[in-house]
Amino acid sequence: DVMMTQSPLSLPVTLGQPASISCRSSQGLVYEDGSTFLSWFQQRPGQSPRRLIYKVSNRDSGVPDRFSGSGSGTDFTLKISRVEAEDVGVYYCMQATHWPWTFGQGTKVDIK
Amino acid sequence: QVHLVESGGGLVKPGGSLRLSCAASGFTFSDNYMAWIRQAPGKGLEWLSYIDGTSSDTNYADSVRGRFTISRDNAQNSLYLQMNSLRVEDTAVYYCVGDVSQIRNAGDWGQGTLVTVSS
Repeated sequence: DVMMTQSPLSLPVTLGQPASISCRSSQGLVYEDGSTFLSWFQQRPGQSPRRLIYKVSNRDSGVPDRFSGSGSGTDFTLKISRVEAEDVGVYYCMQATHWPWTFGQGTKVDIK
Repeated sequence: QVHLVESGGGLVKPGGSLRLSCAASGFTFSDNYMAWIRQAPGKGLEWLSYIDGTSSDTNYADSVRGRFTISRDNAQNSLYLQMNSLRVEDTAVYYCVGDVSQIRNAGDWGQGTLVTVSS
């Protein structure tokens, strides 16, 4: 199985400051059609996961533009340009190139 | 707007069976792949299975292959997960997942239904 390794696993941040989460895959994530199926999800306490980013860098409708995704090959990053209180939660990366599709362990973001 | 509502969770003894349902609305259900993902209490997320619109393409995680069966009824806009030979480690919130573009993008999630396997 493709292992997705996130770091850090815990990320205390100051309101208004930037934050960055790294996700590394154990194999390259380019699919046969040239797409890279790497997504990022936010899970607020008590809620279902919500997709923020798909195919590395495509932001979902309604997702604030302070969220951005980047990367290629086996190294990917989710950045929050200025953290707000509503960003508290657990963030997961996910690969859907190689079955079984797999998630990272999650990064817990909270406010200092 | 896509809306997915799971039901059927509950408490079951080890070795027992349960059938989960997911009612879908807001999109052309029969045109789209659907899937199930679960999350054990306080743990991460695990893809379990997916199915295409005609029920001809299915796949399973090794952890549930041979015990769980995914199916759908396009006339009822419903997705199912038949779970047999349940184990304590199957205890989790089960999410119905879809995406009108590609299921690999996992854009739409239900609220989840809790399955507890315990004696």
